[in-house]
Amino acid sequence: EDKVVQSPLSLVVHEGDTVTLNCSYEVTNFRSLLWYKQEKKAPTFLFMLTSSGIEKKSGRLSSILDKKELFSILNITATQTGDSAIYLCAVGNDYKLSFGAGTTVTVRA
Amino acid sequence: GAVVSQHPSWVICKSGTSVKIECRSLDFQATTMFWYRQFPKQSLMLMATSNEGSKATYEQGVEKDKFLINHASLTLSTLTVTSAHPEDSSFYICSGSLAGDVLFQYFGPGTRLTVT
Repeated sequence: EDKVVQSPLSLVVHEGDTVTLNCSYEVTNFRSLLWYKQEKKAPTFLFMLTSSGIEKKSGRLSSILDKKELFSILNITATQTGDSAIYLCAVGNDYKLSFGAGTTVTVRA
Repeated sequence: GAVVSQHPSWVICKSGTSVKIECRSLDFQATTMFWYRQFPKQSLMLMATSNEGSKATYEQGVEKDKFLINHASLTLSTLTVTSAHPEDSSFYICSGSLAGDVLFQYFGPGTRLTVT
């Protein structure tokens, strides 16, 4: 059975802090790992990672994949209150996306 | 681009009744649509995958007679929860995919179902 595990489940930080979110997986016929941000409604896409060791960046967010150790991290630097959300990791094969339980990030002013 | 809408955004129904949720791709043709449910503080669980014009494929443990999925056109899929019970209360999210690629899913805003 495919498995996606995220840690920590939740964390609280202050504005300006840096957070690192973890995602480990066991999936048959791995194609890509995706990160989403969910703020009360539908997930919005952040990154898709297919190759190991290549960092993807978008503003203050960055992510990297390690296909040998089967994990990915998502970093958020200089956090802002608008970064408060649930961050979901999903792993895709040919048939479906399997989601982790998510990490709830709360950024305090 | 790639916008998916859901209707209604929230619904309350009584136990034993049926409720239909619509999922529409507004600016693209979704050959494949996916239905997920999400319990509070839990992740999205795939319920079923539907391709336009064919029967949906349900995940293990999902009752196909209870959760009826119809994907009648390239822009519309419906999920009908039949004989709803309080344990069916959940957040239901659909997504549409261009060319059927599971990696490229565009998610709807979700429907909050409460069964009383």
